Amino acid sequence: GQQLNQSPQSMFIQEGEDVSMNCTSSSIFNTWLWYKQDPGEGPVLLIALYKAGELTSNGRLTAQFGITRKDSFLNISASIPSDVGIYFCAGQFRDSNYQLIWGAGTKLIIKP
Amino acid sequence: DSGVTQTPKHLITATGQRVTLRCSPRSGDLSVYWYQQSLDQGLQFLIQYYNGEERAKGNILERFSAQQFPDLHSELNLSSLELGDSALYFCASSVDHARVDTIYFGEGSWLTVV
Repeated sequence: GQQLNQSPQSMFIQEGEDVSMNCTSSSIFNTWLWYKQDPGEGPVLLIALYKAGELTSNGRLTAQFGITRKDSFLNISASIPSDVGIYFCAGQFRDSNYQLIWGAGTKLIIKP
Repeated sequence: DSGVTQTPKHLITATGQRVTLRCSPRSGDLSVYWYQQSLDQGLQFLIQYYNGEERAKGNILERFSAQQFPDLHSELNLSSLELGDSALYFCASSVDHARVDTIYFGEGSWLTVV
């Protein structure tokens, strides 16, 4: 079946650093979503992207819908301790019958 | 608070047993999704219902079943439980099956099989 490759799998960074993660697919996607999951809780939608090249921000978070429609990127600027968690990308590809495909997640750990 | 309510929050049971997880969607949401998340793993889509009807099926085992009732709440039934079924089970809801950007997740039900 369809798969999303999300990288990196985990990141250890210093507080204040910028963070980048991405998802790629072999299929063309119509929608890209980025979620954050805090420990012991359900994922929460951060940013939704709907068209190629779209760049959307949510506070210190910025996500982009790749031009090829096969990838997406999430950047976090000036990371703070509460950014810790798992970030998931999810996408809806053409002919997917509206189903979401999920990446495996990027675990963000911030060193104090 | 996402508005999606899941019960129980934690459950410990023995192998071979059967459990039922319950989900109440957000007010007005017609679509319910069930996901499984094993330790340090991603989300595995199990099944989706829309207004009482099964809409899509993912990697759901034959030992698992689900339904959505007329009042739109949903139950996930897990039977003949195995140690590998230990996981966090999420329910999510959305206003309709096509609006994937309106999916809200509950806090999950932690299942431990011993």
